[in-house]
Amino acid sequence: ETGVTQSPTHLIKTRGQQVTLRCSSQSGHNTVSWYQQALGQGPQFIFQYYREEENGRGNFPPRFSGLQFPNYSSELNVNALELDDSALYLCASSPPTGGAGETQYFGPGTRLLVL
Amino acid sequence: QKEVEQDPGPLSVPEGAIVSLNCTYSNSAFQYFMWYRQYSRKGPELLMYTYSSGNKEDGRFTAQVDKSSKYISLFIRDSQPSDSATYLCASLGGGYNKLIFGAGTRLAVHP
Repeated sequence: ETGVTQSPTHLIKTRGQQVTLRCSSQSGHNTVSWYQQALGQGPQFIFQYYREEENGRGNFPPRFSGLQFPNYSSELNVNALELDDSALYLCASSPPTGGAGETQYFGPGTRLLVL
Repeated sequence: QKEVEQDPGPLSVPEGAIVSLNCTYSNSAFQYFMWYRQYSRKGPELLMYTYSSGNKEDGRFTAQVDKSSKYISLFIRDSQPSDSATYLCASLGGGYNKLIFGAGTRLAVHP
């Protein structure tokens, strides 16, 4: 069984640019959540996708947007990058059965540095 | 006030020690509580989750939730150097679609 994969592993961008991060969910999982983890902090919820629709959003501005595809893979897009966007971006997938989303499995993350 | 608070440590213990990691939370509506382990430069790995109050054991790990005091604990018995990592507690937020994490506690187990 393949776990959650993310690409790229590392990325360097300059302020004002746009970036797209990609996530493949674990086999059989249909819900994908994105989190931002700043250095020394816990992950912060960005948004969640279920059946290609946004299913909840955290306190992030609209320049953070996402997509989920029919195969349940997902993208996170960030426009007009700011220095504070430098962080580890984590994708987590959840299975379709069982309860309330308590079993979220994380990928290795994409480390983004904005200069 | 953060919804989930966790002492960032670092915590340094000798091999074989019993480790106690703790969190508090503020929202009495939280029902699910998780512990994740995160090695350096890796994604968080789900260790275990509990529902409501009580204990849950898995090998050397025991998770404990006391809803009356809004206190979450993880105990590690016979700690090993391979347990050295950052431990993140989390609660499932209202609407059940987001995890709310503590800041993480860095643990070092030395031989």
